[in-house]
Amino acid sequence: QKEVEQNSGPLSVPEGAIASLNCTYSDRGSQSFFWYRQYSGKSPELIMSIYSNGDKEDGRFTAQLNKASQYVSLLIRDSQPSDSATYLCAVITSGGYNKLIFGAGTRLAVHP
Amino acid sequence: DAMVIQNPRYQVTQFGKPVTLSCSQTLNHNVMYWYQQKSSQAPKLLFHYYDKDFNNEADTPDNFQSRRPNTSFCFLDIRSPGLGDAAMYLCATSGPGQETYEQYFGPGTRLTVT
Repeated sequence: QKEVEQNSGPLSVPEGAIASLNCTYSDRGSQSFFWYRQYSGKSPELIMSIYSNGDKEDGRFTAQLNKASQYVSLLIRDSQPSDSATYLCAVITSGGYNKLIFGAGTRLAVHP
Repeated sequence: DAMVIQNPRYQVTQFGKPVTLSCSQTLNHNVMYWYQQKSSQAPKLLFHYYDKDFNNEADTPDNFQSRRPNTSFCFLDIRSPGLGDAAMYLCATSGPGQETYEQYFGPGTRLTVT
């Protein structure tokens, strides 16, 4: 079983719609969760971090965490073509140092 | 602006010819990481430094080495690059304080092996 799983996509949404990206993780003891955006050929950019159950909003982005169900999601409201990228879910596992485990990413395509 | 810088951005080397990639940071973070990312794959952690303490991932090939001469700089040495080592190499940092778990990436170095 992979430690962090994401649907590879592509997830295609029309401009202005809500994009919903999901991620599940296997380590029940994980406490820190992140979403990175990665444009093609570029490095990952941190867009959201979440540590507690519930929702965390930052502009058009909302991260949701449910530790009991071991899933994290990212909602992007009013999606724009510039949001088209791969979104990587990353989790810090419970053992030892702050090792970040990445999912393989979900490719999002926002079409005009 | 505080940032993570990687040089060069693009590196072409020949099969078996040693190559060194560099990373510097102005964030004053105490932890520095090296990742390898191949096309359409997740970044894979190679090793990290917690201050001067070096931590190697169990599956990192011996062909990969690293040096951290001071807080600001970290180097990745590939002793004998093979065709399978062609990838994007990412440096990241994280630091003490409220956001200690957040990792910030440099722009990456795209390595081509001919």
